[in-house]
Amino acid sequence: DAKTTQPPSMDCAEGRAANLPCNHSTISGNEYVYWYRQIHSQGPQYIIHGLKNNETNEMASLIITEDRKSSTLILPHATLRDTAVYYCIVRVLGQGRAGANNLFFGTGTRLTVIP
Amino acid sequence: DGGITQSPKYLFRKEGQNVTLSCEQNLNHDAMYWYRQDPGQGLRLIYYSQIVNDFQKGDIAEGYSVSREKKESFPLTVTSAQKNPTAFYLCASSMVRRPSTNEKLFFGSGTQLSVL
Repeated sequence: DAKTTQPPSMDCAEGRAANLPCNHSTISGNEYVYWYRQIHSQGPQYIIHGLKNNETNEMASLIITEDRKSSTLILPHATLRDTAVYYCIVRVLGQGRAGANNLFFGTGTRLTVIP
Repeated sequence: DGGITQSPKYLFRKEGQNVTLSCEQNLNHDAMYWYRQDPGQGLRLIYYSQIVNDFQKGDIAEGYSVSREKKESFPLTVTSAQKNPTAFYLCASSMVRRPSTNEKLFFGSGTQLSVL
């Protein structure tokens, strides 16, 4: 399994950029990096994913290092509604009994946006 | 609106009772999944189904059962054999049935199951 390492918690001031790091040193060449977030007592919400190049959408930007061993999710202007647990996930393909499309969710980073 | 609907939001189970959690999707997705989440923990895969009338065990299938009689529906039964059922249960779906690393999951809003 290509697993990920994230800091357990981070704070960010409202209106500032939130930069959430993730290490995935054992990632394989064809594995994408996904980011999801989970607000308390709700289902995870997809944010963004990428393979090699940096990606940007209406929610966030994803910066992947050239060696692909780490990445950073950037929320450019954090709001109070961005307070959530953020999961960095590497797509594991066909691992054992877990099947073809399993995502390995770790414990994530709890981001708290402070007014 | 397209999406995944889980019900009920909260469910209580008595000792020795089987309970069934509902999951319905109108996204026309082939694959559906059940995850369990314990407080402060990540998600663990219980069962998944890639096509109607077929499903596979995940990492923690013991004490659970599923069915996939319709594409839209993937109910999860928590049986009396599951000795520690209290958890937050999440259903998800994805479009493709074939293995792919470029596919995202859509999640329902979850069911919190507690033991009385």
